[in-house]
Amino acid sequence: GDSVTQMEGPVTLSEEAFLTINCTYTATGYPSLFWYVQYPGEGLQLLLKATKADDKGSNKGFEATYRKETTSFHLEKGSVQVSDSAVYFCALSRSGGYNKLIFGAGTRLAVHP
Amino acid sequence: GAGVSQSPSNKVTEKGKDVELRCDPISGHTALYWYRQSLGQGLEFLIYFQGNSAPDKSGLPSDRFSAERTGGSVSTLTIQRTQQEDSAVYLCASSLAGVGGSDTQYFGPGTRLTVL
Repeated sequence: GDSVTQMEGPVTLSEEAFLTINCTYTATGYPSLFWYVQYPGEGLQLLLKATKADDKGSNKGFEATYRKETTSFHLEKGSVQVSDSAVYFCALSRSGGYNKLIFGAGTRLAVHP
Repeated sequence: GAGVSQSPSNKVTEKGKDVELRCDPISGHTALYWYRQSLGQGLEFLIYFQGNSAPDKSGLPSDRFSAERTGGSVSTLTIQRTQQEDSAVYLCASSLAGVGGSDTQYFGPGTRLTVL
């Protein structure tokens, strides 16, 4: 079945460091790919998405490129801030009317000043 | 309000009791989803409503779980004879169209259920 695998956390970085959180997927067809973020005490919110191969999603300095050849959607940010501390979830949604999200396990990011 | 709302925010119950969790989606969104977030299982899909179509119940873990959506808006998730393994945060989400796979889902703050 469809699945998402993302790197285990926690990831601990100093402010202004470069961030990569790896995400790979297994799915039939051409899914849409998402990164959701959950800040402490808050609900899940969409960070970015990409709906077809080679698309790049971006938001708040974060980027991820849909790589069909490697079935990956790695999240990157050039310079993290303390306010980026949160749990990040990679997810997919299959095309063709199946809109339920399948999530990875989540990666906790802690950024220190 | 502009977002998805859920009530109650916290629910503590005794094993064997029934509970009802409520979700108010964003106005105009035709699709509504329930997910569960627990330490052992991560984020799991439970059930999906799309307009007047029959719901996709494929994620419900047992027949103790049921959900309905009245008038295409508010939804209630009911758990009968609760068990300790039902303890989790129950999340509701809604989206505008719900088809095609690329629709953005907007999540509510969740209901934290604790079964003693």
